[in-house]
Amino acid sequence: EDQVTQSPEALRLQEGESSSLNCSYTVSGLRGLFWYRQDPGKGPEFLFTLYSAGEEKEKERLKATLTKKESFLHITAPKPEDSATYLCAGYGSSNTGKLIFGQGTTLQVKP
Amino acid sequence: EPEVTQTPSHQVTQMGQEVILRCVPISNHLYFYWYRQILGQKVEFLVSFYNNEISEKSEIFDDQFSVERPDGSNFTLKIRSTKLEDSAMYFCANARGRDTEAFFGQGTRLTVV
Repeated sequence: EDQVTQSPEALRLQEGESSSLNCSYTVSGLRGLFWYRQDPGKGPEFLFTLYSAGEEKEKERLKATLTKKESFLHITAPKPEDSATYLCAGYGSSNTGKLIFGQGTTLQVKP
Repeated sequence: EPEVTQTPSHQVTQMGQEVILRCVPISNHLYFYWYRQILGQKVEFLVSFYNNEISEKSEIFDDQFSVERPDGSNFTLKIRSTKLEDSAMYFCANARGRDTEAFFGQGTRLTVV
């Protein structure tokens, strides 16, 4: 069964303290790995798509990387406005665009 | 960023009543999805829809659920006879292609009482 697992479940950082979020996946025939940001009571907001091992994408203080078994979301010098839940989702061999989501990592950045 | 619009933002309904959740998709994005998120839990896939037919559905998507594009534009999710356990946030998502990023709406919070 396809599965996506994220760790840690919760992370508290001081402003400026860099860290990484982990997403481990067992998705048959992975065709894409997606990162989303979700604010409380809102829909997931698209951040990155990674298609192959070794690929990296960057956006402001965020950088996503992909290996054959996991993906990392690196946050460099975070600010309080980066506080949110970060979701990882895999798309595999179902060929219909169905995403398998992890449970998310809730990040709190304190000033 | 492209925007998916969902209405209503919040719906309260009596158990056993029918509800229809609506979604205005992004122009030229032809792959449609519904997901739901029970409070504190993962985002769960319900159904994918392309070319006016369901391409995949989950075990959650039983005979009480249906989807359609009644006017070739809006995309709807109907729950025929709501149960207490249907209470959740329902998200519509829309993608240009199967392998491309899906954009999510802000959700409809459904509360069944």
